[in-house]
Amino acid sequence: DVKVTQSSRYLVKRTGEKVFLECVQDMDHENMFWYRQDPGLGLRLIYFSYDVKMKEKGDIPEGYSVSREKKERFSLILESASTNQTSMYLCASGLKPEAFFGQGTRLTVV
Amino acid sequence: GQNIDQPTEMTATEGAIVQINCTYQTSGFNGLFWYQQHAGEAPTFLSYNVLDGLEEKGRFSSFLSRSKGYSYLLLKELQMKDSASYLCAVRGSYNTDKLIFGTGTRLQVFP
Repeated sequence: DVKVTQSSRYLVKRTGEKVFLECVQDMDHENMFWYRQDPGLGLRLIYFSYDVKMKEKGDIPEGYSVSREKKERFSLILESASTNQTSMYLCASGLKPEAFFGQGTRLTVV
Repeated sequence: GQNIDQPTEMTATEGAIVQINCTYQTSGFNGLFWYQQHAGEAPTFLSYNVLDGLEEKGRFSSFLSRSKGYSYLLLKELQMKDSASYLCAVRGSYNTDKLIFGTGTRLQVFP
């Protein structure tokens, strides 16, 4: 079974903090993705990576950065958290044809 | 631009059949996916269509018409556990698994 693991299910952070969301997959997938999911907006792609040290911006990269130092790990970084980044964050790992999702991290920025 | 449209909410009765439609306009096309997402959980893969026609998988079937930019997910013999959101997603590029998602259709199944 493919496993995509996100480090936290729930996080509460203060405005201005630097936040790290970690994602690990165990199936040697090349492609990994970070989405955020908000009511009425669906899943929106923040960043994706198709190989180690490679990254591409998705549809809403502003305020975020990513790191892919090892194939199995893809980190999403909020440089200075703001209240409008309160959301559900979903990591996914790709294997043609489908993508597998982690359980999600519900981040609240206060 | 990229646009994927699906109804926001639908209701149906246990044992019935429901069809959830999805229309898309994307700059490229390399497959259409349906995911199921229960409240508070991660999306899970249901189906994949890359050629026109119907793909059947147990109680769930998915249809694609590329010329019309249209797909539907058909759920038969509805059960209470089918109450969930159903997400339509399009893969626009051949070389990556990048998916563009619709906003999802929340299906409620009543006894």
